[in-house]
Amino acid sequence: GQNIDQPTEMTATEGAIVQINCTYQTSGFNGLFWYQQHAGEAPTFLSYNVLDGLEEKGRFSSFLSRSKGYSYLLLKELQMKDSASYLCAVRDESNYQLIWGAGTKLIIKP
Amino acid sequence: DVKVTQSSRYLVKRTGEKVFLECVQDMDHENMFWYRQDPGLGLRLIYFSYDVKMKEKGDIPEGYSVSREKKERFSLILESASTNQTSMYLCASSFQGNGANVLTFGAGSRLTVL
Repeated sequence: GQNIDQPTEMTATEGAIVQINCTYQTSGFNGLFWYQQHAGEAPTFLSYNVLDGLEEKGRFSSFLSRSKGYSYLLLKELQMKDSASYLCAVRDESNYQLIWGAGTKLIIKP
Repeated sequence: DVKVTQSSRYLVKRTGEKVFLECVQDMDHENMFWYRQDPGLGLRLIYFSYDVKMKEKGDIPEGYSVSREKKERFSLILESASTNQTSMYLCASSFQGNGANVLTFGAGSRLTVL
């Protein structure tokens, strides 16, 4: 079956680093996405990985290991505005549709 | 700078009512999608469309229908609303072709069915 797993909730301190993990089991793979969703708002695109390795974009980085079915989103120098839910999604190779994890709610404390 | 607009942010309807959720995008995207978002679950795809007058069922199409008469507009219809359709509904759009085809989402329509 198709399955995306990520922690339900994480707490971190302002200025620190946090890593949000995502593991997946899908019948096919054609890319992994991370989206950020603030409460009551639309999800917004953060990153896309299709090859193994690390993609860095400012304070945010995303890593992918296809052989392990594993990705993480790394957030550095945390700011209060980073408090949000982070959604992991895998694109299914067979139908090009996204399979979504339930999201990780990240709480930043001062 | 709004790119995907959902007509209603909050709706309250009664069981059995017909509900229309409208979505308009101004990015000339070919693809449009309707998802529902419920606590503790990932986004679930209801219907999607790759072209005008074209529609495809997603993972949970039962109880819903859609209409795409113009490229920029994709409507979700609940023919007879039920309480289990109380949810947040998210519209999204994207380009076609190879590559990431990143989804751009609307702000959502929160529907409560009493």
